[in-house]
Amino acid sequence: AQSVAQPEDQVNVAEGNPLTVKCTYSVSGNPYLFWYVQYPNRGLQFLLKYITGDNLVKGSYGFEAEFNKSQTSFHLKKPSALVSDSALYFCAVRDIDTGFQKLVFGTGTRLLVSP
Amino acid sequence: GAVVSQHPSWVICKSGTSVKIECRSLDFQATTMFWYRQFPKQSLMLMATSNEGSKATYEQGVEKDKFLINHASLTLSTLTVTSAHPEDSSFYICSAPSLILSYEQYFGPGTRLTVT
Repeated sequence: AQSVAQPEDQVNVAEGNPLTVKCTYSVSGNPYLFWYVQYPNRGLQFLLKYITGDNLVKGSYGFEAEFNKSQTSFHLKKPSALVSDSALYFCAVRDIDTGFQKLVFGTGTRLLVSP
Repeated sequence: GAVVSQHPSWVICKSGTSVKIECRSLDFQATTMFWYRQFPKQSLMLMATSNEGSKATYEQGVEKDKFLINHASLTLSTLTVTSAHPEDSSFYICSAPSLILSYEQYFGPGTRLTVT
């Protein structure tokens, strides 16, 4: 079964500092990995994806993620955090076992950026 | 980009009543839509896959008779919570996959259901 793990429930960072939100994956075959962000009482917004190609993926709002096959990780990063980045972040993987369209989500990491 | 809407954005209902939540793809057609449930401070749990023109596929442990799903058209799926109980209170989110890149999904803004 495909799965992703987000080991941190919450990440705290000061505005202007770099941030990292961790995600590790377990898949059979090639991974299709995604990051989504959720603001309070809102649906999920797509940030970025890794399908193939460069290991460093750039996405929306200045976020990027690094795919590391040897460590089975797909950490989300941003060089300089903003207070407005405070939200809930989900890592997800395509569930090829049950259908190409399904996504399996991690438990989410709450990012809190302090002024 | 593709937009998915949900209506209502929030609803309060009394125990024992039924409530319908709509999910619409506004600028694209969706033969498949997904319904998720999210508890406070928790991840999304896939409830069912809505299929246009056929029955929905429910995930294990989800009561089919309680959560009725109807994919009425290529742009509309509805989730009806029947005989609602307070434990059904949750945030319900729908999504629809891209027609071009099926592994990409567009999410609705969610519906907050509170059952009193």
